Formats: sequence, C-alpha cells, structure tokens
Amino acid sequence: AQSVTQLGSHVSVSEGALVLLRCNYSSSVPPYLFWYVQYPNQGLQLLLKYTSAATLVKGINGFEAEFKKSETSFHLTKPSAHMSDAAEYFCAVSEGYSSASKIIFGSGTRLSIRP
Amino acid sequence: EPEVTQTPSHQVTQMGQEVILRCVPISNHLYFYWYRQILGQKVEFLVSFYNNEISEKSEIFDDQFSVERPDGSNFTLKIRSTKLEDSAMYFCASTRREETQYFGPGTRLLVL
Repeated sequence: AQSVTQLGSHVSVSEGALVLLRCNYSSSVPPYLFWYVQYPNQGLQLLLKYTSAATLVKGINGFEAEFKKSETSFHLTKPSAHMSDAAEYFCAVSEGYSSASKIIFGSGTRLSIRP
Repeated sequence: EPEVTQTPSHQVTQMGQEVILRCVPISNHLYFYWYRQILGQKVEFLVSFYNNEISEKSEIFDDQFSVERPDGSNFTLKIRSTKLEDSAMYFCASTRREETQYFGPGTRLLVL
C-alpha cells in the first residue's frame, strides 16, 4: 500500500525566508503525488500535483515541488515565505495508477511564519 | 469556477442519533468520495463511489455508514447511530477520471 511520510509536524520560518516542507513516499513506482493546504477552519485546497510529466512542479501561491525518484521524495518549497502561508500542509499520494484512486494523506506539517 | 459544496457546515448531535451529511459534487464528475479528519490527525479515506455503487471502502466504513446518490446532484453520507469517536471533519470530494480530486469545505460533526 502507498504511504507518505512528512518529516516535521511543525515548521517555523521567518517572513521572507525559504520554506521547505519534506515528504517521502513509499512506492518504487512513481504515483500521483499531491500537496494540499488547509487554512484554519477551512477545507483542503490543492497546491500542486505531480503526474510524471515533469519532475519540477509549479503550484499556486509561489510554491513548487521537485519529484526525486532516487530519493523517493517530493519536498515542497517556496523561496520567500509570506505571513499568509501559515497553514497546515499535507503531502498525499494516489493509491492506484489513476488520479481517481483514493488519496492517502501524510500526517501534515503545520507551517508558522514569524514576523 | 465550479466547486464541491457541503451542508451543513457544522452539526452537533447526540450519541446514538442518525446524521446525514450532504454533498453536491461538481456537475460533470463521475467519481465521489468521503474522507474524514479527526481533530489533530491526518485526513483518512472512508469510501469511494462510482456508477451508483461503492468502489472501495476503508475499514473505518463499517455497517454504521452508508452512502447514497439519491438524485443526479447530491451525494450523501449517513451515519446510523453516531458514536463519540465519529466526531470529525468530513470532506466530500469528486473528480472525473485522470483529473484532480476536488474537495469540499467539510462538515464538522460533533457527537455529544
């Protein structure tokens, strides 16, 4: 079964600093990979999705993630953090070979931004 | 932009009562899902639904749970006899094949 591991349940960075949220997946076959963001008291919003078309995936709000097969990683980055980026971030993987397959979520990383 | 909607946004119920959570998926989507998130924990898959039947369910989705698409627009999750541990945020999602799953804003269920 697919799984994802997010390193660090809480990350705190200064405004303007680099954001790096780590995610490793379990499968040897590149699946669909996602990053979702959840703002306080809100639902899940898709930040970006990897579908094997390109290893560097650009998403909304200046975020991007790089798929590295050799490291089974899909880390999320943003060059310069903004206060509005404070939220919970979930790495997720599609269980099957279709994006219609169920999604398996990581445990989440809470991102805090220091002024 | 089309979006998944869910009602109610919040529901409080007594243990043992039945609840129905409602979702309106995006109109041309064919696959439907329920996920839940217990406070402070990860989002967990409950059930997927396609072509008017359950295509997959998790071990959480026991006989107390059921799903239905009663008409062409609604997708419901019923919990027959709620337990304290059913308290969670419940998310509905929908997609067409080879597209992203779109999530609704969630229904926060509190069982007292």
